[in-house]
Amino acid sequence: DTEVTQTPKHLVMGMTNKKSLKCEQHMGHRAMYWYKQKAKKPPELMFVYSYEKLSINESVPSRFSPECPNSSLLNLHLHALQPEDSALYLCASSQVARGNQPQHFGDGTRLSIL
Amino acid sequence: SQQGEEDPQALSIQEGENATMNCSYKTSINNLQWYRQNSGRGLVHLILIRSNEREKHSGRLRVTLDTSKKSSSLLITASRAADTASYFCATDTVNTGFQKLVFGTGTRLLVSP
Repeated sequence: DTEVTQTPKHLVMGMTNKKSLKCEQHMGHRAMYWYKQKAKKPPELMFVYSYEKLSINESVPSRFSPECPNSSLLNLHLHALQPEDSALYLCASSQVARGNQPQHFGDGTRLSIL
Repeated sequence: SQQGEEDPQALSIQEGENATMNCSYKTSINNLQWYRQNSGRGLVHLILIRSNEREKHSGRLRVTLDTSKKSSSLLITASRAADTASYFCATDTVNTGFQKLVFGTGTRLLVSP
């Protein structure tokens, strides 16, 4: 069982909908990450949060809006997405966002945009 | 931009055989990590090797790092059907401040009973 929990596991939404992806970890980690993974491709970093502050935004379009309400939770708010945004969205955490840290991944949310 | 290239793209072996995957990268790194991803699941961390280390072992896994050639290899010995998965290398590059993993293209490993 993964120690990083993501909900929902699957999400289908229209281009005009607003939805949110949720990620939770209880390992006391202070760094959390969002990745996007297209089919048969490697994960690509979207955002890095360190101590609940947004530290890295990899030039992600504003239709993706991350939020870190506390050290255990990470949300990704979605609005007006495009069909090309269909992908597996992975959340990860590590003890801190600096140094030699392994990352712990959730099983992802598979998102389909109609 | 993608940092790592892995080869082979796909590898098919029999149980009990060894599997070797290679990763090449382009810029200086703090560390290199290997992850496994089973179909439809998240990534599982396997091994982290620091830039000043040359070899690391964990159970049936052996990782080497050659910073002069900007390359790494992952060896899985005595493979099992349960090792069937995609394997990714990921580099944490120097001078980015915060950890920013860039994943390689991945190797799809199929281990047949």
